[in-house]
Amino acid sequence: AQSVTQPDIHITVSEGASLELRCNYSYGATPYLFWYVQSPGQGLQLLLKYFSGDTLVQGIKGFEAEFKRSQSSFNLRKPSVHWSDAAEYFCAVGAPLTGTYKYIFGTGTRLKVLA
Amino acid sequence: DVKVTQSSRYLVKRTGEKVFLECVQDMDHENMFWYRQDPGLGLRLIYFSYDVKMKEKGDIPEGYSVSREKKERFSLILESASTNQTSMYLCASSQITGQGAYGYTFGSGTRLTVV
Repeated sequence: AQSVTQPDIHITVSEGASLELRCNYSYGATPYLFWYVQSPGQGLQLLLKYFSGDTLVQGIKGFEAEFKRSQSSFNLRKPSVHWSDAAEYFCAVGAPLTGTYKYIFGTGTRLKVLA
Repeated sequence: DVKVTQSSRYLVKRTGEKVFLECVQDMDHENMFWYRQDPGLGLRLIYFSYDVKMKEKGDIPEGYSVSREKKERFSLILESASTNQTSMYLCASSQITGQGAYGYTFGSGTRLTVV
């Protein structure tokens, strides 16, 4: 079965600084990979996804992520963080070979942005 | 704009009550999901449905049941609410595809408090 780990529970960055949020997965083949963002009191919004092709994926709000098979990682990046990016970020993994559309979510990384 | 609508944002119920959480999507999606979200635990799948009247247990189905009588509506039922079911409940939907993966579309969540 697939699994996903977000090693960082909290991350604090200054506004304008670069950001990288880590995500590691476990799956025997190329998985489906997603990043979601959740603002306080809200549902989750899809930032970007990967399932094949170019390993560098562009998403909404200026985010990108890179799939690295050798490291089993799908880290989320943003070159310059804005105060409005403060939120909780979730990585999710799906297993295409199982024929199921259940995705496993990480425990989340809460981002704090300093002015 | 596609939408998943959860009927209540906040709900307070008494221990032992039967509780219904409603979710409606307007995207003609085949799959629908119920998750609960708790701090430090991420999102945990309660039940999902891949077709009308079809359902499968997720990782934590105990104390819950579901109903899907129409494609657009997926209800979560707490048969006898208990305080340990106090949580944020998130509904999501997704479409079936044979080519790649689509992420979930989430509702805004229902914060349930059982007293």
